[in-house]
Amino acid sequence: QSVLTQPPSASGTPGQRVTISCSGSSSNIGSNTVNWYQHLPGTAPKLLIYSNNQRPSGVPDRFSGSKSGTSASLAISGLQSEDEADYYCAAWDDSLNGEVFGGGTKLTVL
Amino acid sequence: QITLKESGPTLVKATQTLTLTCTFSGFSLSTSGVGVGWIRQPPGKALEWLALIYWDDDKLYSPSLKSRLTITKDTSKNQVVLTMTNMDPVDTATYYCAHRDLGRPFDPWGQGTLVTVSS
Repeated sequence: QSVLTQPPSASGTPGQRVTISCSGSSSNIGSNTVNWYQHLPGTAPKLLIYSNNQRPSGVPDRFSGSKSGTSASLAISGLQSEDEADYYCAAWDDSLNGEVFGGGTKLTVL
Repeated sequence: QITLKESGPTLVKATQTLTLTCTFSGFSLSTSGVGVGWIRQPPGKALEWLALIYWDDDKLYSPSLKSRLTITKDTSKNQVVLTMTNMDPVDTATYYCAHRDLGRPFDPWGQGTLVTVSS
C-alpha cells in the first residue's frame, strides 16, 4: 500500500487532455513539493515535473503539474501515443523522513 | 552529463545478503548537497524508496526496511553500495540508484538491475 494514492489507470485518445491525481497527507504533499516521473517498462524512470509544476529541460510543455493542499495532479494535453507509460508522483515525507511514491498510474492511449 | 549504473548479482537465495553497487560519473559525492539514493520496483508493483546517502555521510533509510539495510559511499571510486540482509522472495525487484541534490528530486536514475530471490 503506497503512501501516496493514485488511480491505477487512466486513458485517452490522441489529442485529448488527461489528468492524473495524487493524494497524500500533511506530512508529505501538504508540506513538501511534488515530483512526477514517467516510467516506460525496462527503462529508467524519467523526471517529468519537479517542485509541483516545473518542467526539466527537454520535457514538452504538454506536461504540467499542480498542487493544492494535500493533493497534486499531472495534466497531459495533446495526448500522443508515446505518452503511454506508467506515471508516479513522489514527495518527501517529514514523518517518515524519506521519499514516498504513489502506486503509479498506467496511462493508455486508445 | 550525469550517469549511474547498478551492478550486482541477478540471483540470490533466501536468507542471503544482497550487495549492490552504484557506479556513477558526472558528479562527486564530496560536493556539498549531493546525494545518491536507492529505489526498487517489484514486478508489477510500485516504486519504493530504500535509502539515501549524502555528501556529508548522512544516511537515511526506509523505516520499514531500516533493520536490513546499510548504505555506504566510496568517494574515491565514485561508488555507493547498498547491502540488504536476510533476502526473501518478496524482495525480488528491479533495483535503481539515482542522483539527488539536497531538496531536489531523484534525477537522473540508473537503468536498474533485476534481482531475483529464490527460495
